[in-house]
Amino acid sequence: AQTVTQSQPEMSVQEAETVTLSCTYDTSESDYYLFWYKQPPSRQMILVIRQEAYKQQNATENRFSVNFQKAAKSFSLKISDSQLGDAAMYFCAYRRPLEGKLIFGQGTELSVKP
Amino acid sequence: ETGVTQSPTHLIKTRGQQVTLRCSSQSGHNTVSWYQQALGQGPQFIFQYYREEENGRGNFPPRFSGLQFPNYSSELNVNALELDDSALYLCASSSPPGLAGFSGELFFGEGSRLTVL
Repeated sequence: AQTVTQSQPEMSVQEAETVTLSCTYDTSESDYYLFWYKQPPSRQMILVIRQEAYKQQNATENRFSVNFQKAAKSFSLKISDSQLGDAAMYFCAYRRPLEGKLIFGQGTELSVKP
Repeated sequence: ETGVTQSPTHLIKTRGQQVTLRCSSQSGHNTVSWYQQALGQGPQFIFQYYREEENGRGNFPPRFSGLQFPNYSSELNVNALELDDSALYLCASSSPPGLAGFSGELFFGEGSRLTVL
């Protein structure tokens, strides 16, 4: 069975600095999707960034980028120039291509200090 | 484009009661899935509906059931509520795999917060 592990329950970053959130996963599949979702206090899950396993190039979305290491089954999220609005719970998630189910990690609570 | 909407946003029930939660999928999405998120935890997959049929289920007992309607909206029903059912229930919609432009992304609603006393 696939599993997703986030080993950092809490992280803190100074405004304008860079922070990296860690995620590892376990799967025997070769093709899959990986996601980082953000959940602010408003509760709605918002997609931050996605990565398709067959793509070697790391995904980037503005200040957000990932370091995807397929062999190591690692998928970390880097947030550059952190902003107060980045404070939220961040969840790493895995999905097989033809399945609807997302498998989530336990989450990392990010706080941003002014 | 209308996003995923859920109702009610909050509700309180007592143990043994039944609850129905509702979800309207994002425009153009015919696949709906439900997740249970206990406090401080990641969401857990309950089940998915595609074309009004359940086509995937997580490790939840049969007292968790659902429906999908022809307009792709969905309901989650929970019978015989237990204290451990207290959680945030999230609905997500997506376009079906294989469709041009499929991104794998799920689009979530804001959830229904259920408290069981």
